[in-house]
Amino acid sequence: QVQLQESGPGLVKPSETLSLTCTVSGGSISSYYWSWIRQPPGKGLEWIGYIYYSGSTNYNPSLKSRVTISVDTSKNQFSLKLSSVTAADTAVYYCARHSLDCSSTSCYPFMDVWGKGTTVTVSS
Amino acid sequence: SSELTQDPAVSVALGQTVRITCQGDSLRSYYASWYQQKPGQAPVLVIYGKNNRPSGIPDRFSGSSSGNTASLTITGAQAEDEADYYCNSRDSSGNHLGYVFGTGTKVTVL
Repeated sequence: QVQLQESGPGLVKPSETLSLTCTVSGGSISSYYWSWIRQPPGKGLEWIGYIYYSGSTNYNPSLKSRVTISVDTSKNQFSLKLSSVTAADTAVYYCARHSLDCSSTSCYPFMDVWGKGTTVTVSS
Repeated sequence: SSELTQDPAVSVALGQTVRITCQGDSLRSYYASWYQQKPGQAPVLVIYGKNNRPSGIPDRFSGSSSGNTASLTITGAQAEDEADYYCNSRDSSGNHLGYVFGTGTKVTVL
């Protein structure tokens, strides 16, 4: 079955750019939407943004000025860049796949496959 | 962006029924999906759409929706159901149509 694996540096200095990659295995990245979600220590989940396999994106307005999500279909990967990080960006970062539940009139998305998450600490 | 509000914590006796609610304006237009998260683990999808369970999720989990409120019900709670639960839906505020998570509910099984 489809599996997701996040990878990237576990430690990033303040003001620098956080870069993570999510590798999709056991299936194709095509025809799906893919999201990044994060969870600061002891806090809830925060949606960061998504990308369609074709490259269209949508970002959380609270992070939009600092976030870039890209896709590499040849490698079955998508990536997250978060610039100008501070300690508030310390979190576990997850990637997830969106699927759709469709009736005759509407479709409702949900995140059915998640990576195990990777911890990123922002500290000098 | 819009918000989805959940009670911070609920408790349930072993074998009894607990309902977790999620309130927000976007739920008038979109079904919520529900995720279970145990300590140190990634979230797991338990309910999606009108009331659908992924393969492997016990049928004691069910979902419903009315107006601006979505609910997740665990009928006959088991010790292994102790976890944090999050709802998620489209964010229909503004024009960006992204996603938003609920604030989360910690379920304790007594």
